[in-house]
Amino acid sequence: GAVVSQHPSRVICKSGTSVKIECRSLDFQATTMFWYRQFPKQSLMLMATSNEGSKATYEQGVEKDKFLINHASLTLSTLTVTSAHPEDSSFYICSAQPGQPFSETQYFGPGTRLLVL
Amino acid sequence: AQKITQTQPGMFVQEKEAVTLDCTYDTSDPSYGLFWYKQPSSGEMIFLIYQGSYDQQNATEGRYSLNFQKARKSANLVISASQLGDSAMYFCAMREATSVQGAQKLVFGQGTRLTINP
Repeated sequence: GAVVSQHPSRVICKSGTSVKIECRSLDFQATTMFWYRQFPKQSLMLMATSNEGSKATYEQGVEKDKFLINHASLTLSTLTVTSAHPEDSSFYICSAQPGQPFSETQYFGPGTRLLVL
Repeated sequence: AQKITQTQPGMFVQEKEAVTLDCTYDTSDPSYGLFWYKQPSSGEMIFLIYQGSYDQQNATEGRYSLNFQKARKSANLVISASQLGDSAMYFCAMREATSVQGAQKLVFGQGTRLTINP
């Protein structure tokens, strides 16, 4: 149980284009989903928190207009990197926290490696 | 502000030996939770073990145990009988409440790279 999928696993795009990343909880309902970014040899940094049906809450320094988050259902959240630039190249990883029944644990997806040329 | 510190950038251990990965934390909240995750080279974050601040006993999950020293604010991960497949990055994390109702975000340490030698 507690499986989270992420798609795509790897994406290469040109500078200026937009990229959408999907995060799905496969066998549980996730009231809350989180999006993290991890640069090489660094730790995970939280970008934003989203609850189903409401606007995402962004961490300080994260541009909400650049990183659009949509938590459309209890099993799906999407992150869209708009007008991507080379400095946005990173490893993006989502997590989901079960709501029914509530769990303290966040379960992570396998991550998406984004390379912007 | 909460903080997680992992002081060991890298650890090298012989196969079948036990290994302890250090983690200290700093928080003023009386209620908190501590997690350990494993990140192999593929990048996925694998949940290993959880310890709640009010839990009376140290958490255990198979070969993993958490040495919780509340007064010292430490939550070290102990892996018994290490295996080659244990080679990975290990992250300690602490949950804290967010402004989103019911949500709790994780704050991660810098990680420890564990290498198991045959």
